[in-house]
Amino acid sequence: AQSVTQLDSQVPVFEEAPVELRCNYSSSVSVYLFWYVQYPNQGLQLLLKYLSGSTLVKGINGFEAEFNKSQTSFHLRKPSVHISDTAEYFCAVSWNNDMRFGAGTRLTVKP
Amino acid sequence: DADVTQTPRNRITKTGKRIMLECSQTKGHDRMYWYRQDPGLGLRLIYYSFDVKDINKGEISDGYSVSRQAQAKFSLSLESAIPNQTALYFCATSGVRGKGQETQYFGPGTRLLVL
Repeated sequence: AQSVTQLDSQVPVFEEAPVELRCNYSSSVSVYLFWYVQYPNQGLQLLLKYLSGSTLVKGINGFEAEFNKSQTSFHLRKPSVHISDTAEYFCAVSWNNDMRFGAGTRLTVKP
Repeated sequence: DADVTQTPRNRITKTGKRIMLECSQTKGHDRMYWYRQDPGLGLRLIYYSFDVKDINKGEISDGYSVSRQAQAKFSLSLESAIPNQTALYFCATSGVRGKGQETQYFGPGTRLLVL
């Protein structure tokens, strides 16, 4: 069965520092990969997705992620974070007619 | 106006009561989903529907039922609520897989407390 592991439940960083949120997945079939963001008291919004093609995917708000098939990873990065990036981030894997989410990583950006 | 709406946004109920959560969408999508979110567990799929006549169980369907009244409406029912169904519930929609429409669009969520 397919599964998603987000390696860090909480990531505190200072404003303007770089950040990486880690995601590993397990799958025996081809999958699509997603990162979603959830701001307080809101639903999830798509940050970026990997369907095929270039392994470096750029999303909204300056985020990007790299698909690494050999390491089955899809880590999310941003070179310089802002206070407004404070939120919970979810990695998800989709195949056939199903989708699985990771447990989430809470990113807290401190001034 | 929001593309995916959920009602109610907050609900408190008692053990044993029947409760219905409603979801409507204006995106014209065929596929709709119900998830629950619990701290430390991420989102787990309860039920999903690919069209009005197609309903499928997800990862954690026990204790829940759904109704797809129309393409735009998908309701989730708890026939006899229990405290461990206290959670944040999300509805989502998506287009047809394989046509670049795999992205799921989420509603704002319904916070349910079962006493």
